[in-house]
Amino acid sequence: KNEVEQSPQNLTAQEGEFITINCSYSVGISALHWLQQHPGGGIVSLFMLSSGKKKHGRLIATINIQEKHSSLHITASHPRDSAVYICAVSRSNYQLIWGAGTKLIIKP
Amino acid sequence: NAGVTQTPKFQVLKTGQSMTLQCAQDMNHNSMYWYRQDPGMGLRLIYYSASEGTTDKGEVPNGYNVSRLNKREFSLRLESAAPSQTSVYFCASSEESGDQPQHFGDGTRLSIL
Repeated sequence: KNEVEQSPQNLTAQEGEFITINCSYSVGISALHWLQQHPGGGIVSLFMLSSGKKKHGRLIATINIQEKHSSLHITASHPRDSAVYICAVSRSNYQLIWGAGTKLIIKP
Repeated sequence: NAGVTQTPKFQVLKTGQSMTLQCAQDMNHNSMYWYRQDPGMGLRLIYYSASEGTTDKGEVPNGYNVSRLNKREFSLRLESAAPSQTSVYFCASSEESGDQPQHFGDGTRLSIL
């Protein structure tokens, strides 16, 4: 069993829909990261959080440490949100443990 | 703002050839990383450098060597390329440890024939 699991693996939605991507982990962590990988390949860090909730524009990330679960929400989704969203967790060293990613397609 | 710059962007090698992937960051970050990304798999850490002058193995170091040339530059060398090393390679940097956001380069697509 992978230490970081994301669901769903693939998600297709219509423009304007509310999107939720989930991340569950099985190890103790010091922080959880959400990243976005564009179709062209570039990777951008969206959030790093260790508790509670963070919001940036239409993106919201939450984490429940007790349940070892995090969600990434996108409100009013747009085709430009189409990308792979990656969850990763950091432990007490320099290494991140990476999820396999969720491929999101938003249709106009 | 350049951020993290990787060269080359694409490379095709023959089995047994050697090459060095270059990475430079202009954010004065202490930590730098090399990852590989294979289809359907998450990023896997090859080597990292917590600070200038130090390097450590990651999850998949076999077949690779690294050099932290200075605070800005962190290179990855394939001494004798193998088809199993066909992958997309990403360099990243962060201010300090894994509890800091990592900034990524655009990647190098490497094919070994």
